[in-house]
Amino acid sequence: KAGVTQTPRYLIKTRGQQVTLSCSPISGHRSVSWYQQTPGQGLQFLFEYFSETQRNKGNFPGRFSGRQFSNSRSEMNVSTLELGDSALYLCASSEQNTEAFFGQGTRLTVV
Amino acid sequence: TQLLEQSPQFLSIQEGENLTVYCNSSSVFSSLQWYRQEPGEGPVLLVTVVTGGEVKKLKRLTFQFGDARKDSSLHITAAQPGDTGLYLCAPRSARQLTFGSGTQLTVLP
Repeated sequence: KAGVTQTPRYLIKTRGQQVTLSCSPISGHRSVSWYQQTPGQGLQFLFEYFSETQRNKGNFPGRFSGRQFSNSRSEMNVSTLELGDSALYLCASSEQNTEAFFGQGTRLTVV
Repeated sequence: TQLLEQSPQFLSIQEGENLTVYCNSSSVFSSLQWYRQEPGEGPVLLVTVVTGGEVKKLKRLTFQFGDARKDSSLHITAAQPGDTGLYLCAPRSARQLTFGSGTQLTVLP
């Protein structure tokens, strides 16, 4: 069974641009969660989707958004990028109320 | 929000040494999970502890859940370079994990 796949692995963007990150969950998993990891703030929850609906949202500005498609694949978008958005963005998938499996993440650098 | 404090923040030891890292909170947890994150990878679940006082062993790793279910510890015996990584604790959830700040462990050969 393939694991959680995140693309791209690395990304460099300029301040003010927008970015879209992709996450393909483990086959059969309908829940997808997104996290931001930075040295200063650690691992922080962004949002969680289940069956194309956002169920939970962390404390991040509206520039951070996401969506989930009917095949459970998910994307997250960050608009008007700031230097402080540089981070490792992790996606995790799970079946209903079971263990979360993480992808390798997308390393975003904003210059 | 349940705030988790992990200590120490950084730990560097020689291969073969023993170590213990801690996860503490003022809140009571119904259950707690420990993860390890290796460089360039996402966190991987090591164990879930559920019952106060519970001890679980995973090869050289021993996890303990406090009697009051407010704290947990991870003890590693005879550490190896392969144990290097970021150790994170979080209240059990598949949907929204709230992680502690983590302990960055480096085991030197």
